[in-house]
Amino acid sequence: DAKTTQPTSMDCAEGRAANLPCNHSTISGNEYVYWYRQIHSQGPQYIIHGLKNNETNEMASLIITEDRKSSTLILPHATLRDTAVYYCIVRVGNTGNQFYFGTGTSLTVIP
Amino acid sequence: GAVVSQHPSRVICKSGTSVKIECRSLDFQATTMFWYRQFPKQSLMLMATSNEGSKATYEQGVEKDKFLINHASLTLSTLTVTSAHPEDSSFYICSARVGEENGYTFGSGTRLTVV
Repeated sequence: DAKTTQPTSMDCAEGRAANLPCNHSTISGNEYVYWYRQIHSQGPQYIIHGLKNNETNEMASLIITEDRKSSTLILPHATLRDTAVYYCIVRVGNTGNQFYFGTGTSLTVIP
Repeated sequence: GAVVSQHPSRVICKSGTSVKIECRSLDFQATTMFWYRQFPKQSLMLMATSNEGSKATYEQGVEKDKFLINHASLTLSTLTVTSAHPEDSSFYICSARVGEENGYTFGSGTRLTVV
C-alpha cells in the first residue's frame, strides 16, 4: 500500500510556480522520496528524488521538511506540457524494491 | 539515460485468447522488473515483481496462473495474459530499477482491449 497522501487535483497558471505537496508521515529513515508524473496514456516519467536534503534538477525542485514527514515538488515555471498526474512515492516493500503508487495529484496548467 | 521498451503499444484480442507483452531494458541489465496495471482514471497497481532466472512474486489478489511472467534474460521480461476476458482490458506498464539509489524507468505502456 502507498504510504503517501496527496491532494487529488490542483490548478496552476501558466508561467507560475506549481507547488505540489505530499505527506509521508510514516517514512523510515532510509527511505527515499521519489516524484514521477504521468501524462495521459503514457508511462510514468521520473522527475526527482531525495532523502533528506533539498534537491534541484533541470525539471524541478524537491523540498523535504526537516522531520521528513512531508515534501513539496516545485515546478518553477509551469507550462501547458506540465499538465499531468504527479505521484509522490516512498520506496517500500520487504526488499525495498517495489514502488507502490498512491492516487497522485492531477495538475492542470491553465493558459 | 536508461530506457525500457515495451511492445506492443496497443493490442486488441478476442475473448479467450492469450496475449504476450514484452518489456526490454535497452541499455542496461535489469535483474528485476515490475508489472503494473492501470484502469481508466485510476492509479497504477503493482501486479508482480519479475526476477531474472526465478519465479515472479505476485501481489495479493493477482492470479499468477492468469498473468504469466517470464524473465528469461537480464534484458527481457514478458507478461502473458492468458484466456483474456473483457475485464482484463487495461493499460499494462512495466518498469525496471536503475541502480541502487536511482529511481525506476517505466515503459510506455500497452493498451490491451479484449473484445
